[in-house]
Amino acid sequence: GQNIDQPTEMTATEGAIVQINCTYQTSGFNGLFWYQQHAGEAPTFLSYNVLDGLEEKGRFSSFLSRSKGYSYLLLKELQMKDSASYLCAVMDSNYQLIWGAGTKLIIKP
Amino acid sequence: DAEITQSPRHKITETGRQVTLACHQTWNHNNMFWYRQDLGHGLRLIHYSYGVQDTNKGEVSDGYSVSRSNTEDLPLTLESAASSQTSVYFCASSERAEGTEAFFGQGTRLTVV
Repeated sequence: GQNIDQPTEMTATEGAIVQINCTYQTSGFNGLFWYQQHAGEAPTFLSYNVLDGLEEKGRFSSFLSRSKGYSYLLLKELQMKDSASYLCAVMDSNYQLIWGAGTKLIIKP
Repeated sequence: DAEITQSPRHKITETGRQVTLACHQTWNHNNMFWYRQDLGHGLRLIHYSYGVQDTNKGEVSDGYSVSRSNTEDLPLTLESAASSQTSVYFCASSERAEGTEAFFGQGTRLTVV
């Protein structure tokens, strides 16, 4: 079967750094996406990785290791507005997105 | 600006009734998707379409149907609503199947009583 695992909830302090991990087992791999979803709102795109390595975009970075079936999203200089759920999704061999259940990130002052 | 809109935003219906949720996008995307989101689950694919007159079943398609008569719209119909279909429904569109981000509508919260 296909499976995406990520922690259910994480807590971090404003101004700190947090790493949200995602492991996956899917039938084929055509890229990994990270989305942010604030409560009651639509998911919005954060990053896309298809090759191994680190992609940096401002305060957010995403890393991929295809051989380990592993990715992480790194958030630096945390702000209160970063309180949200972070969704990991893998595109499988049929170009369908398989979604993790999301990680709820709580930022404390 | 291009956008994707869903209506209604909230709906309460009775068991057994037929319900249609609307999705309209002005991105001119060929690919459109319907997902449901429930606590403890990731987004689950209900139906998807890669173009006009094309529709395909997703992971959780039982009890749902879609039709694609034009590029902009992909309405989702619950043939006979059941309490298990109480959920938040998201419509999304993307330019291509691979490698491109999907844009999501604001969601429809459906309650079946």
